[in-house]
Amino acid sequence: ELKVEQNPLFLSMQEGKNYTIYCNYSTTSDRLYWYRQDPGKSLESLFVLLSNGAVKQEGRLMASLDTKARLSTLHITAAVHDLSATYFCAVDTPGGTSYGKLTFGQGTILTVHP
Amino acid sequence: DAGVTQSPTHLIKTRGQHVTLRCSPISGHKSVSWYQQVLGQGPQFIFQYYEKEERGRGNFPDRFSARQFPNYSSELNVNALLLGDSALYLCASSYATPSEQFFGPGTRLTVL
Repeated sequence: ELKVEQNPLFLSMQEGKNYTIYCNYSTTSDRLYWYRQDPGKSLESLFVLLSNGAVKQEGRLMASLDTKARLSTLHITAAVHDLSATYFCAVDTPGGTSYGKLTFGQGTILTVHP
Repeated sequence: DAGVTQSPTHLIKTRGQHVTLRCSPISGHKSVSWYQQVLGQGPQFIFQYYEKEERGRGNFPDRFSARQFPNYSSELNVNALLLGDSALYLCASSYATPSEQFFGPGTRLTVL
């Protein structure tokens, strides 16, 4: 059974600082997604990582995937208050018709303080 | 373009009742997946349908069922509701499997 673990689960940051959220998963997969969720809202897609070594950047967020280490990172650069939200990584179940079953991490609640 | 739509937005039921949740995928998307998100946790996979056939089922009891219609919209049915079924139910659509899933706004179900 695929397990996905994020850390930290809670992250309190000062504006302007950098930090990294880690996502470890237990079985081989080459498809990993990062989502953002604001309180009471649905999931907003941030990044789609489809191969080993994939790196994607959007604004102050950068995501990477190391399939050999079964690890993805979401790096936050010079945090601003608008980034406060819950961030989830989700790993796709590999293989044939099993694709499309996403297993999510527990989520990282990010709070950015002035 | 319209995104994934779900109805109703909110729903309050009592234990033992039955509920039907509805989802319309993005135009052109043929796959619909359902997830349950309990407060404070990540979403959990319930079902996936592609071209009207069930492609995957998560670890949920038989009280949960779903179907996909010829127009690719989908229904999730839950029978004999329990307090623990209270959650945000999310529908996601994708063009095919595998491909990126886009989530709808969700249906907030409260069971009293």
